[in-house]
Amino acid sequence: DSGVTQTPKHLITATGQRVTLRCSPRSGDLSVYWYQQSLDQGLQFLIQYYNGEERAKGNILERFSAQQFPDLHSELNLSSLELGDSALYFCASSVQDYHEQYFGPGTRLTVT
Amino acid sequence: DAKTTQPPSMDCAEGRAANLPCNHSTISGNEYVYWYRQIHSQGPQYIIHGLKNNETNEMASLIITEDRKSSTLILPHATLRDTAVYYCIVRVLIYSGNTPLVFGKGTRLSVIA
Repeated sequence: DSGVTQTPKHLITATGQRVTLRCSPRSGDLSVYWYQQSLDQGLQFLIQYYNGEERAKGNILERFSAQQFPDLHSELNLSSLELGDSALYFCASSVQDYHEQYFGPGTRLTVT
Repeated sequence: DAKTTQPPSMDCAEGRAANLPCNHSTISGNEYVYWYRQIHSQGPQYIIHGLKNNETNEMASLIITEDRKSSTLILPHATLRDTAVYYCIVRVLIYSGNTPLVFGKGTRLSVIA
């Protein structure tokens, strides 16, 4: 158990819909990262927040957005969903200056 | 893009040492070498990291060549539970918030009974 929690574990929705994925980092971790893992693209970095502020952006689509709240939990919002958005979405957290990132168990999104 | 090259797959007999190579010939002086693994579809798990010196922890050993252009992750006594995809990553560690990990395709290690 990494200490990072993600909800929901599984999500099935239809094309065109909007969903929100939630991540609670380990206690004390200020950085939160979102990664997407699909069969064809592998593990890809989407976005990073540090203490409430966006720190880095990766290959995140304009239809996707995220935020980190004052209690440090984060939400990833996916809208106008397409079949190709079906993937595992992982959240990770880390302490400032530390080497390790701790990954949550992921949310499996299926778009039908 | 990933800055590392790894073999796509390897087999190892249970109880034997698993040696996973990684090439990172363009590594910069301030970049660390990290190893993570992903068991089935679980979240990736940190294993070990190093800069110049060889490192060892309870999970594995990391051997970095003197020119830092390649490294080897060693699992001393592989078990069936070590079957996973292993990712070698190079990354700069910066102050005030770490940088994201850039994953390549990794090496799929199969430990065989």
